[in-house]
Amino acid sequence: EAGVTQSPTHLIKTRGQQATLRCSPISGHTSVYWYQQALGLGLQFLLWYDEGEERNRGNFPPRFSGRQFPNYSSELNVNALELEDSALYLCASSGPGTAQETQYFGPGTRLLVL
Amino acid sequence: GEDVEQSLFLSVREGDSSVINCTYTDSSSTYLYWYKQEPGAGLQLLTYIFSNMDMKQDQRLTVLLNKKDKHLSLRIADTQTGDSAIYFCAESISDSWGKLQFGAGTQVVVTP
Repeated sequence: EAGVTQSPTHLIKTRGQQATLRCSPISGHTSVYWYQQALGLGLQFLLWYDEGEERNRGNFPPRFSGRQFPNYSSELNVNALELEDSALYLCASSGPGTAQETQYFGPGTRLLVL
Repeated sequence: GEDVEQSLFLSVREGDSSVINCTYTDSSSTYLYWYKQEPGAGLQLLTYIFSNMDMKQDQRLTVLLNKKDKHLSLRIADTQTGDSAIYFCAESISDSWGKLQFGAGTQVVVTP
């Protein structure tokens, strides 16, 4: 069974640009979660999508946004990039058959903002 | 606060047991998790424990949960060089659905 997949693996942008990160959940999972892992800040919860709706949001500014598509894949958009947005962005999924909200993570997208 | 605390570093000899400790904050957490992260990789779910359990064993892994002290530990028996990684404990947050609160991670280095 395929795990969570993310694309691209690496992304280089300049300050002020927009970045789009993509995530495909494990087949059968309906929830997608996004986390930021920045150096020195640890893993921070960004967003949770379930059945196409944003269900919860972490303490991040509105320029971090996303959506979930009918096939349960998801996009994370970061507008007006700042240098401190450089981080590993991890996507996770959960769904029926797992222990409640147990989250399974993808390999991440490494974003570098210059 | 929502800080999950872990010691930052653990060195262990190959073949010995490793014990990684974690204290969490949310007494209403339903599940507590252990994840492993190897260099340049995402998080691999190792195991989880439901909050009404005291212990869970899964092959070389043993999780102990002390709800009174909000203390969680992960024991790895017969530690191998492939166990060298960063280990994160995480708790589900009862008043923030979907959110996992992670500790800073414990770097485990296994020496031959």
